[in-house]
Amino acid sequence: GNSVTQMEGPVTLSEEAFLTINCTYTATGYPSLFWYVQYPGEGLQLLLKATKADDKGSNKGFEATYRKETTSFHLEKGSVQVSDSAVYFCALEPNAGNNRKLIWGLGTSLAVNP
Amino acid sequence: EPEVTQTPSHQVTQMGQEVILRCVPISNHLYFYWYRQILGQKVEFLVSFYNNEISEKSEIFDDQFSVERPDGSNFTLKIRSTKLEDSAMYFCASSDLKGGGNQPQHFGDGTRLSIL
Repeated sequence: GNSVTQMEGPVTLSEEAFLTINCTYTATGYPSLFWYVQYPGEGLQLLLKATKADDKGSNKGFEATYRKETTSFHLEKGSVQVSDSAVYFCALEPNAGNNRKLIWGLGTSLAVNP
Repeated sequence: EPEVTQTPSHQVTQMGQEVILRCVPISNHLYFYWYRQILGQKVEFLVSFYNNEISEKSEIFDDQFSVERPDGSNFTLKIRSTKLEDSAMYFCASSDLKGGGNQPQHFGDGTRLSIL
């Protein structure tokens, strides 16, 4: 079946530190991969996506590369800011016709201290 | 930027009562979804809706649940007889099929449902 595994949090970093949040997946076929972010008190916002192997999604200084050989989609940012404090969710969408549902990781809470 | 809006933000209901959660998807979107997140657990898919019918539903989406698009703008989730275990954050999402698949889902801020 399809599943997503994320590294457990919480992750606590100092401002300007390097961030990696690991995400691996299990899927049949060729899923699309996503990172969503949830800021305190807000809903789920799409951060970035990749739809095929070796694609790199990027947004707001965050990047993730779709690695089919390692079934991974790790989120990275070179220099985090306090405003990046949020919960980050890795998700996949099975590439299966018209049925489109997201399969989610547990979420990783990030706290960035000044 | 257009948004998905959900109301209410917090709903408190007695066990056994019916509850309706409301969503206004982005206006030109064609696919609609409900997800839920029980505290401390993963976000779980409930149902997808396209062309005025359910496209897919999970095993969670049993006979107590129903969805409706009563007019051109609203998309509702009804729980007929709520149970304690229905307490969760419920997220509505919508997406556009233009461009042929893999258009990302856009989410509302969620409705926190508390069953007493």
